[in-house]
Amino acid sequence: DTGVSQDPRHKITKRGQNVTFRCDPISEHNRLYWYRQTLGQGPEFLTYFQNEAQLEKSRLLSDRFSAERPKGSFSTLEIQRTEQGDSAMYLCASSPSGQWREQYFGPGTRLTVT
Amino acid sequence: SQKIEQNSEALNIQEGKTATLTCNYTNYSPAYLQWYRQDPGRGPVFLLLIRENEKEKRKERLKVTFDTTLKQSLFHITASQPADSATYLCAPLGANAGNMLTFGGGTRLMVKP
Repeated sequence: DTGVSQDPRHKITKRGQNVTFRCDPISEHNRLYWYRQTLGQGPEFLTYFQNEAQLEKSRLLSDRFSAERPKGSFSTLEIQRTEQGDSAMYLCASSPSGQWREQYFGPGTRLTVT
Repeated sequence: SQKIEQNSEALNIQEGKTATLTCNYTNYSPAYLQWYRQDPGRGPVFLLLIRENEKEKRKERLKVTFDTTLKQSLFHITASQPADSATYLCAPLGANAGNMLTFGGGTRLMVKP
């Protein structure tokens, strides 16, 4: 079990550019989550997949954000036309099926929009 | 609206003492509550889960209480060590809230040798 991995770990981009992040969950986990965290705050939920189906999406999530999990394994999170307010740590987590299971987080991708 | 409050000020204690962190929630009736630890630059790590019908849960030096009347959970670390220094996050969850976690802002704990 290698844990949840995320790539890249750091990304610096200019305002208006598109960025894509990748998450590889723990292999036997069928649930995958994306969160965003800014300094001094707790992680904020963005979206959730069960296998390849996107089941929940935060109302706070702008149309510029899109996530996929095409084969129910890894997932990508894309941000189009980045803004300075998008600068944050983007965290991915996975969990096994079952009610109220604990989530296993990756190390995060730190995005800086200049 | 639902609100989760954790003390935003850092908690500084001496090694060997018991650290007590508080998680208060309003406009919420969580069925369970999770606690996570987060070190700088890393993702949160799950510590404990407590259900609404459990008053107390223990794991090694950790103890969590859940008071649905006070709408509060307390997280205790006994015999604290400098390695316990981190930010601790609570995440209460309602029975029908799906699988997303809503976290409090976290409390930073500093244990001094």
